[in-house]
Amino acid sequence: EVQLVESGGGLVQPGGSLRLSCAASGFTFSNYWMSWVRQAPGKGLEWVASIKPDGGEKFYVDSVKGRFTISRDNAKNSLDLQMTSLRVEDTALYYCTTGGGSFDNWGQGTQVTVSS
Amino acid sequence: EIVLTQSPATLSLSPGERATLSCRASQSVSSYLAWYQQKPGQAPRRLIYDASNRATGIPARFSGSGSGTDFTLTISSLEPEDFAVYFCQQRINWPRTFGQGTKVEIK
Repeated sequence: EVQLVESGGGLVQPGGSLRLSCAASGFTFSNYWMSWVRQAPGKGLEWVASIKPDGGEKFYVDSVKGRFTISRDNAKNSLDLQMTSLRVEDTALYYCTTGGGSFDNWGQGTQVTVSS
Repeated sequence: EIVLTQSPATLSLSPGERATLSCRASQSVSSYLAWYQQKPGQAPRRLIYDASNRATGIPARFSGSGSGTDFTLTISSLEPEDFAVYFCQQRINWPRTFGQGTKVEIK
């Protein structure tokens, strides 16, 4: 059974940083594109970033380019999202997902709140 | 960026009725469109990928159709557990984009 467990969310001031992690199990992690998708409170879904299986290619939504970095450790079956220069509008539930095209498995999410 | 517009915003139906949800793309996405269901307090679940392929474990009452710019998700006979929000999403281009969602509520 595929399991994706996110961690690392919390309350941070504008301009601060957070590192989200996703622990993956139940599938061959190194074979899969992985992504982060977020959902602001009461809003729809927004794709944030994706990374190729070997980590060689990464894609970001424009609003986070230069501030967020997606990375993976295939030896540890883990996916990370380093977030810097956080803004109030980054407040959302962040989901770890498998896939880079469509998103077939989802974690339960980790909440990021950016507020002073 | 490809904009996906879903209609209607809310669909009020009774159990057993047929639901027809629409997703229109601002430019062609070929057949590279997925549909997701999200219930309150839960993560989204992929229902359909590449316009018409049901994901693993998805009941046959869910079907997807369309290509190019116009797509439809049909739920043939609504079950109580189908009342939820549905999103479409394209994968032909970066950035990946989602529609704003259609809420299917109990009438």
